[in-house]
Amino acid sequence: AQRVTQPEKLLSVFKGAPVELKCNYSYSGSPELFWYVQYSRQRLQLLLRHISRESIKGFTADLNKGETSFHLKKPFAQEEDSAMYYCALYSGGYQKVTFGTGTKLQVIP
Amino acid sequence: SAVISQKPSRDICQRGTSLTIQCQVDSQVTMMFWYRQQPGQSLTLIATANQGSEATYESGFVIDKFPISRPNLTFSTLTVSNMSPEDSSIYLCSVLTGLEAFFGQGTRLTVV
Repeated sequence: AQRVTQPEKLLSVFKGAPVELKCNYSYSGSPELFWYVQYSRQRLQLLLRHISRESIKGFTADLNKGETSFHLKKPFAQEEDSAMYYCALYSGGYQKVTFGTGTKLQVIP
Repeated sequence: SAVISQKPSRDICQRGTSLTIQCQVDSQVTMMFWYRQQPGQSLTLIATANQGSEATYESGFVIDKFPISRPNLTFSTLTVSNMSPEDSSIYLCSVLTGLEAFFGQGTRLTVV
């Protein structure tokens, strides 16, 4: 069975500091991994996906199959980054998405 | 992409009653997903609703408690039956377009 683990419930950083939100996964197949974000009073939305290898709002995430990790990083945190972040794994065999428990990022001015 | 309208956005219900949540998508989709998001916890998949067949429920969720309808490719309902305070949560409708998940705004349910 697939599993996504986000060890931190809350991460507080100062504005301008680097950010790293951790995500580890367990899946027997070839993983498709994503980061979703939920800003206050907004719906959950896609932030980025590993297959596109893109940088969105300054965030990047690299899939490390050896460590089964997909950590989300940003070199300089901004106040508007404060939100709830969910790591997610799409399992093609089951055609469903499994979410981690989420990490609340709090950027302190 | 997909735009999902979910209603009601919130409700306060008496224990023992039932609430039906509606989910409307602006395009035809094969599968629709219903999640529960409890405070401080992750999104937990309740069931997958396929048009023209019975919904597939995840472990810990049963049809008698969470009956689902899927009358066509753009609409689904989730009913929370015989509610108790433990059912207080946010319920989310979701669809997959390609590999990307899109979500409704959620229904915040409080059972008193």
